[in-house]
Amino acid sequence: EVQLVESGGGLVQPGGSLRLSCAASGFTFSSYEMNWVRQAPGKGLEWISYISSSGSTIYYADSVKGRFTISRDNTQNSLYLQMNSLRAEDTAVYYCARGGAMGCWGQGTLVTVSS
Amino acid sequence: DIQMTQSPSAMSASVGDRVTITCRASQGISNYLAWFQQKPGKVPKRLIYASSSLQSGVPSRFSGSGSGTEFTLTISSLQPEDFATYYCLQHNSYPYTFGQGTKLEIK
Repeated sequence: EVQLVESGGGLVQPGGSLRLSCAASGFTFSSYEMNWVRQAPGKGLEWISYISSSGSTIYYADSVKGRFTISRDNTQNSLYLQMNSLRAEDTAVYYCARGGAMGCWGQGTLVTVSS
Repeated sequence: DIQMTQSPSAMSASVGDRVTITCRASQGISNYLAWFQQKPGKVPKRLIYASSSLQSGVPSRFSGSGSGTEFTLTISSLQPEDFATYYCLQHNSYPYTFGQGTKLEIK
């Protein structure tokens, strides 16, 4: 069974950092590009970052560029999102999603940025 | 950046109705368009990919069409479990962009 499981969310103060993880199983992780998508409370979906299957190509939304870093470890079947300089507007559920057309999503992890 | 304009933003309909939701792209995206359904508190679920390909396990009452800049999601006969919010996604070029969502409510 294809599965994506996010972890690492929590409450953090403005200006703080968090590292999210997404553990993949049930498929050949190293063959798939991956994305992070977030959803603020009561709002729509926002794509925030992409990484190619090898990790050699990366893109970010302007809203997180320079603050967030996506990475992956294909030996550990894991995707990561390092989030620095967090702001209140980064409060959201963060999802990892497989493939360009996002056919499979994790259950999400909630990040709350508040003092 | 490609803007995705989804309409309507909300609608009410009855069980058995035929419903159409539209997404317009600000520039051509070929068929790099997917549709998602999201129920409150749940993870988005992909219904359609490549504009018109039905995701495995999704009921055949869902269909997608379009290419270039105009796309539609059609539900041929609404069922009670279809009341949800629907999003389109363009994945033709970065930054990927979602439509703002269509909330489908029971009339």
